[in-house]
Amino acid sequence: GAGVSQSPSNKVTEKGKDVELRCDPISGHTALYWYRQRLGQGLEFLIYFQGNSAPDKSGLPSDRFSAERTGESVSTLTIQRTQQEDSAVYLCASSLVRGSYNEQFFGPGTRLTVL
Amino acid sequence: AQTVTQSQPEMSVQEAETVTLSCTYDTSENNYYLFWYKQPPSRQMILVIRQEAYKQQNATENRFSVNFQKAAKSFSLKISDSQLGDTAMYFCAFMKQGGSEKLVFGKGTKLTVNP
Repeated sequence: GAGVSQSPSNKVTEKGKDVELRCDPISGHTALYWYRQRLGQGLEFLIYFQGNSAPDKSGLPSDRFSAERTGESVSTLTIQRTQQEDSAVYLCASSLVRGSYNEQFFGPGTRLTVL
Repeated sequence: AQTVTQSQPEMSVQEAETVTLSCTYDTSENNYYLFWYKQPPSRQMILVIRQEAYKQQNATENRFSVNFQKAAKSFSLKISDSQLGDTAMYFCAFMKQGGSEKLVFGKGTKLTVNP
């Protein structure tokens, strides 16, 4: 595809359930980011993948959050035992790492609502 | 850690007029980038303009320009000849050069352009 895609667009779940969010980066982009945007807030960094390097997980808020990426393709963000405070828009971005500045291209996000 | 502050939660401007959005940041880094992103209701993050910290010249992209004051750690966005399509949330963001290149965002300014 031409841009970063994310699925589902919206997800409603019950407290305590696990959810998986998917991100398809732009083909050939080696770097992939996940961000969280709570209502009325800016984006918060969650995790970063770059090629075969160990991911930067410094932004994950708790051990209920995890993410995987296979090679340079799809990534999934998993939230276990969801809580109401996990309600947010989860945005994914990818970039082609080739120089001193590498623009991040964002997907449309997944709006997660935890009831 | 870096922080980005946007002190104007909401602003409005008349069509064809000029508006300036404020942003300040805090960092001990010397090499970094600053950005303004636009987020319309579609949730898609769109890069508006980028400034490299080592450049003294202010960046310009058509109707959008910045006033970058490195010593004051200030980075404002000026939108000239405002258009109805400029209505959106605007986020100021910081990126340290090197490392994971994660973006640190402010809380945003909601801009409304009135006809």
